Amino acid sequence: GQQVMQIPQYQHVQEGEDFTTYCNSSTTLSNIQWYKQRPGGHPVFLIQLVKSGEVKKQKRLTFQFGEAKKNSSLHITATQTTDVGTYFCAGRFTGNQFYFGTGTSLTVIP
Amino acid sequence: DTAVSQTPKYLVTQMGNDKSIKCEQNLGHDTMYWYKQDSKKFLKIMFSYNNKELIINETVPNRFSPKSPDKAHLNLHINSLELGDSAVYFCASSQELPANGGELFFGEGSRLTVL
Repeated sequence: GQQVMQIPQYQHVQEGEDFTTYCNSSTTLSNIQWYKQRPGGHPVFLIQLVKSGEVKKQKRLTFQFGEAKKNSSLHITATQTTDVGTYFCAGRFTGNQFYFGTGTSLTVIP
Repeated sequence: DTAVSQTPKYLVTQMGNDKSIKCEQNLGHDTMYWYKQDSKKFLKIMFSYNNKELIINETVPNRFSPKSPDKAHLNLHINSLELGDSAVYFCASSQELPANGGELFFGEGSRLTVL
């Protein structure tokens, strides 16, 4: 079946360190979205990437879509305790639904 | 006002019972979804409706039956509950279909515990 793999599953960082989570697919994606879910909360949309090689920034967050549109990454510079949560990518192939990655749970140690 | 609201937030019930979760969105969106999040936080789509019409029906036991009385509401009824149904169920909506890049707006979730 169509799957989007995400690594790592867990990441613990000291406050101020950088963090990156990666999504990979064996099949070309049409577009990819990123969501953040705070502990006990619900997923909240962060961004969507559509074009090959696209890079978008939101303050300390940088999102990339690979040239082959088979992978994507989210990089957070100088993490803060407010960054704690689980980050999900959600990739769309050719159909009308997004397949969520397994998520990366980020813990930031003050 | 909550954009996507689900009730109940918590549901504890015995195996074999039948239960329903309700969802309403006041965003004027055309498409609504049900997702299941298991204990490992894996989010899996179950159903999607566009203008009250079922467009996605993933491999879900037929004990699960969605109903969309109008495009602002999508309810989920579960018959003969099993232990494995314990999860958090999220309702979501989007203005556009995923094929048109629609971003998902999630409700706060309904945590179902089957004993």
